[in-house]
Amino acid sequence: NAGVTQTPKFQVLKTGQSMTLQCAQDMNHEYMSWYRQDPGMGLRLIHYSVGAGITDQGEVPNGYNVSRSTTEDFPLRLLSAAPSQTSVYFCASSYGLGGRRGYTFGSGTRLTVV
Amino acid sequence: AQRVTQPEKLLSVFKGAPVELKCNYSYSGSPELFWYVQYSRQRLQLLLRHISRESIKGFTADLNKGETSFHLKKPFAQEEDSAMYYCALSTGGTSYGKLTFGQGTILTVHP
Repeated sequence: NAGVTQTPKFQVLKTGQSMTLQCAQDMNHEYMSWYRQDPGMGLRLIHYSVGAGITDQGEVPNGYNVSRSTTEDFPLRLLSAAPSQTSVYFCASSYGLGGRRGYTFGSGTRLTVV
Repeated sequence: AQRVTQPEKLLSVFKGAPVELKCNYSYSGSPELFWYVQYSRQRLQLLLRHISRESIKGFTADLNKGETSFHLKKPFAQEEDSAMYYCALSTGGTSYGKLTFGQGTILTVHP
């Protein structure tokens, strides 16, 4: 099992560019989430999904889109990158009963927007 | 809306001393609480869950609904416990599966 795989690990974007952060899990987990981690702010939920075809917004969804066409994949799209989106992004997955068994996290993508 | 507060950004103790990382939450229903840990250059990982009442790496945490707290404790800290610790809360209803994290506490255990 690879667990939760995120690509790329590092990315530099120019303001206004778009890109997709990839997230894949091979554990057949129904719950998947995207978080951003900023100093002093902890982890903040961007979007999450409770199964293929079902997504919902988290605390800080503006500027990001998601879709969940398969159980395995949950890509995060930045529509028009802004310096405020400079952050470390984590994808996570879980299963059963609202994720009460705990989430498995990816290794993160460090994004810099210049 | 639910909220998780970790009042200490930084916590330093000496090896062998007791350690307590504080976590307070606000939520009107019955939450599920978790502690996650992130060691240097490693990914975030689950440390323990309140529903399982387990002790992991010597750490325990008790949910106190009266004080709305879920403090993490260890009687004798080790250097390898140095890490960032996050308290997190999960709720039911329409927010099923969502995790709300606190701001995190960096624990440093000195030799």
